[in-house]
Amino acid sequence: SAVISQKPSRDICQRGTSLTIQCQVDSQVTMMFWYRQQPGQSLTLIATANQGSEATYESGFVIDKFPISRPNLTFSTLTVSNMSPEDSSIYLCSAWTSTDTQYFGPGTRLTVL
Amino acid sequence: GQQLNQSPQSMFIQEGEDVSMNCTSSSIFNTWLWYKQDPGEGPVLLIALYKAGELTSNGRLTAQFGITRKDSFLNISASIPSDVGIYFCAGRMNNNAGNMLTFGGGTRLMVKP
Repeated sequence: SAVISQKPSRDICQRGTSLTIQCQVDSQVTMMFWYRQQPGQSLTLIATANQGSEATYESGFVIDKFPISRPNLTFSTLTVSNMSPEDSSIYLCSAWTSTDTQYFGPGTRLTVL
Repeated sequence: GQQLNQSPQSMFIQEGEDVSMNCTSSSIFNTWLWYKQDPGEGPVLLIALYKAGELTSNGRLTAQFGITRKDSFLNISASIPSDVGIYFCAGRMNNNAGNMLTFGGGTRLMVKP
């Protein structure tokens, strides 16, 4: 299995500011992902974080709004840029392991005022 | 894009009752995963399925990978109050076009003591 931690666990931010969320996995993993989850909803994939190259974004998500870094096989960051209240959500880091299973971090609960 | 239909959307049952939920897809998957999410937490992996027809148990939970590879079910026997939460199915195609998980809409389980 993989243990995934995220920082911060929650934050309240002002409109127009940016927040960077950190994700740390306790072992090297093949793939890392970032998801968004609105209250009461299912999970929506934002992007796949690629090690050493640009992230692969899903339809509706762009790099300028959600820049992602993945400097090594155990760490990634997601930045939510120029935030608006519509960005209020839970952001989840996830990792696909060599045992063909996918694990999730505890999430970052973001509120934008 | 592909979709997973998860049903029921919610269930309100008496403690001790058995629970069954399922997911169906218009596409074939090579992996099915079942998760449980508690409020304020990230999804926790319950069961992973890798072969058509596979039946796997984890305590009181049993899940099966459908023969057609387009469906899966999760059963919970003798429910207890701590089973309360949202259960998600997720499928993965494992090919160049689809290494990402597709999630069902979730089943919200409520257990009456």
